[in-house]
Amino acid sequence: EDQVTQSPEALRLQEGESSSLNCSYTVSGLRGLFWYRQDPGKGPEFLFTLYSAGEEKEKERLKATLTKKESFLHITAPKPEDSATYLCASTGRRALTFGSGTRLQVQP
Amino acid sequence: NAGVTQTPKFQVLKTGQSMTLQCAQDMNHEYMSWYRQDPGMGLRLIHYSVGAGITDQGEVPNGYNVSRSTTEDFPLRLLSAAPSQTSVYFCASSPLGLYSNQPQHFGDGTRLSIL
Repeated sequence: EDQVTQSPEALRLQEGESSSLNCSYTVSGLRGLFWYRQDPGKGPEFLFTLYSAGEEKEKERLKATLTKKESFLHITAPKPEDSATYLCASTGRRALTFGSGTRLQVQP
Repeated sequence: NAGVTQTPKFQVLKTGQSMTLQCAQDMNHEYMSWYRQDPGMGLRLIHYSVGAGITDQGEVPNGYNVSRSTTEDFPLRLLSAAPSQTSVYFCASSPLGLYSNQPQHFGDGTRLSIL
């Protein structure tokens, strides 16, 4: 059975304090690993798709990386506006499977 | 661009009532789906459609019904609401299907409470 597990559940950072969010996945025939951002009261907003181990993608202060078992979302020098819940999801031979998310709070 | 539009944003129902959650997309996407999001759990797939006239069940279909008469619209019907269906419901669309490596585009959700 496909599984996606995110850690930590919640993370509190000071502005400028870099950190990483983890997404561990068990998927048969990975076709894509997705990262989404979700703000309170809103739907998930697409950030990145990673397709194969070793791939990296960047957007502003965010960088996503992928290994054969994990994906990391690195946040460099975060700002308060980066506060949100970050969701990881994978798709393989089964339908899209979501993790339960990491709730990030960045304090000024 | 509107993207994916869901109505209503909030709804309170009594146990046993029925209602329809509306979802419309203006991106001409063939694939549409409904998810529910509960605290501490990931988004779970309820029903999906790969095109007009074609629907199928997801992970948690019981108590819900869907139809797809046009490419743009994909309503979700609760047949007889139960407290266990209290949740936030998201509609999503993408240009390709269920096993695609293309990202989903989500609406902003309907927050549903069943008393």
